[in-house]
Amino acid sequence: DIQMTQSPPSLSASVGDRVTITCRASQSITRYLNWYQQKPGKAPKVLIYVASNLKSGVPSRFSGSGSGTDFTLTISSLQPEDSATYYCQHTYSTIPTFGQGTRLEIK
Amino acid sequence: QVHLQESGPELVKPSGTLSLTCAVSGGSLDTNNWWSWVRQPPGKGLEWIGEIYHNGNTNYNSSLKSRLTISVDKSKTQFSLKLTSVTAADTAMYYCARRGLYHSDNYFDPWGQGTLVTVSS
Repeated sequence: DIQMTQSPPSLSASVGDRVTITCRASQSITRYLNWYQQKPGKAPKVLIYVASNLKSGVPSRFSGSGSGTDFTLTISSLQPEDSATYYCQHTYSTIPTFGQGTRLEIK
Repeated sequence: QVHLQESGPELVKPSGTLSLTCAVSGGSLDTNNWWSWVRQPPGKGLEWIGEIYHNGNTNYNSSLKSRLTISVDKSKTQFSLKLTSVTAADTAMYYCARRGLYHSDNYFDPWGQGTLVTVSS
């Protein structure tokens, strides 16, 4: 199975900051990578699909990039409501594994 | 708009069988989608369990395959999960979700609200 590794495991940033979360795959997954946001007590919500496509209704401050094995999720100007855990997930093979998550806290 | 809702026992005894159902409303199961199960142990990350297509084809997480059965009941517009020989390690929030078949929609959306299953005597 393809392993997904996110970094950092957690981070703290201030409102207005630019935030970047990284996801690395154990082998090339071309661009088949999704990003989710999960708030406490809620189901995850898809933000980005196929590496860089913004899901309808998601604020434009969220963006994704990357290909092959290295991907990033960027929040251009952090807002209070962005406090959440973020997960990457590949869809390259039959088994769609998730990264271990990055917890984002607002200072 | 498709809506998913999980149901089933909240408490299962060790060595028993965990059985959950996901009711799908607002749409048909006969679409180009995988119908999936994902779980999340308390305080931990997401783990994909497995999925089923409307024709009965399945994909399973290799770590659970020997204990897992996912089935579909199109007449009731629902799909189900059975996990046998459970232990405390199977305690988790269980979510059902839809995953598109094609790369342009191959992500989990929508999700059910989740149901917490505890394995304990």
